[in-house]
Parts: sequence; structure tokens; C-alpha cells
Amino acid sequence: DVKVTQSSRYLVKRTGEKVFLECVQDMDHENMFWYRQDPGLGLRLIYFSYDVKMKEKGDIPEGYSVSREKKERFSLILESASTNQTSMYLCASSLWTGKLNEQYFGPGTRLTVT
Amino acid sequence: AQTVTQSQPEMSVQEAETVTLSCTYDTSESDYYLFWYKQPPSRQMILVIRQEAYKQQNATENRFSVNFQKAAKSFSLKISDSQLGDAAMYFCAYRSDPNFGNEKLTFGTGTRLTIIP
Repeated sequence: DVKVTQSSRYLVKRTGEKVFLECVQDMDHENMFWYRQDPGLGLRLIYFSYDVKMKEKGDIPEGYSVSREKKERFSLILESASTNQTSMYLCASSLWTGKLNEQYFGPGTRLTVT
Repeated sequence: AQTVTQSQPEMSVQEAETVTLSCTYDTSESDYYLFWYKQPPSRQMILVIRQEAYKQQNATENRFSVNFQKAAKSFSLKISDSQLGDAAMYFCAYRSDPNFGNEKLTFGTGTRLTIIP
């Protein structure tokens, strides 16, 4: 089974802190994604990566950066956390097998910025 | 840009009954891919069913089936014989004709489904 893990289920940080959210997948997937999930807004793509050291902006990249130094690990960085970044963050990965390939999701990190 | 609309924020169904969740999307593309994902409470999101736009036949996975109406840009999910384990948030998602390195999904806002015992 594909396993996507995220470093924390719950995280509380203060405004202005630098925050790292880590995601690891164990199935040698090329693609990795970071989403944020907010009630009434669904999932919105922040960044994605289709290869090591490659990254592409999603729909809401402002205030975030990412790092992918190894194929299995994709990190989301909040350079200076703000209260409007309080949200559920979901990581996902996928293997390029064709056009209907599915994304596999991690359990999520619920981040609260106070 | 494509948009995906789920007009039912919440729905409920009696156990063993059938329920249909609606999804509409807006696109100018002719070839694309549609998905339903399920997010159970406090558990990871998983794929339920998927459909290629150029295929007329509706996809089916056991008790889950879709009603795909391309002209109407509608992609509804039907759950038959509802079970308690079907209780979850359901998300409809759209993907343009993807290439390697471009597999972006656009999600709807979700429908929370409650199963009444």
C-alpha cells in the first residue's frame, strides 16, 4: 500500500514564526502536492513538484515556499506564519501511470497560528 | 480557469437507501478527467471513482456509480445501499488533459454526507 505521512497531525505556532511541514511518501512517486483545506473552500493547491528540485506554483502560493531535495520528501515552508494561514494542510503524491492516475493523500496537518 | 461546483454542502441518507451527490464544472476543454474523492472523519482522503470525458459509458465501482452528462457539464455520484462507513466529506475534482509534470486537480468545495442508522 502507498503510504504518505506528514510530520505532525496538529501544530500550534505563533505569528511570525517560520514553520516547516514535512511530507514523506514511500512509493517512489514522481509527483508531490501541497494543498490547504478550508471549510466552504474545498482543497486549494499551494505548490506541486514533479521531480527532485522541481517546483511549480499552484493556485495560492503566496506566503509559502517548498523544498524537494529528495524524491520521497516534500516540505512546505511558511516563512513568517500569519493567522490567515491557520488551516488543514494536506500532502499528496502520485505516480505517472497515465491520465487517470490517482493522488494518494496524507492524514493532514492541522496548523493553528496564534 | 476551470471551476468545480458542489451545490450541496450537506446531505443525509437513511442506511441502505440511495443518495446522489451533485457536481458541475465549467471548462472550455473537450478532453479532461473527473474524480470523486472521499474523506472520512479523521482519516485520509481516498479515491472513490474516476471518469474520462471522452468515454460515454458511466464509471461504476461496486456501490458507487456516476452520471456523467458532458453537454451539461455534470458529474454526479450515486451511492447505492448506503452504509455507515460511507459517512464522509466527498469532493469532486477536475483534471485537464494532463502531461507528465502537469497533474493539477481542481477540487469542489465538498459535500458532507451523513448516514442515518
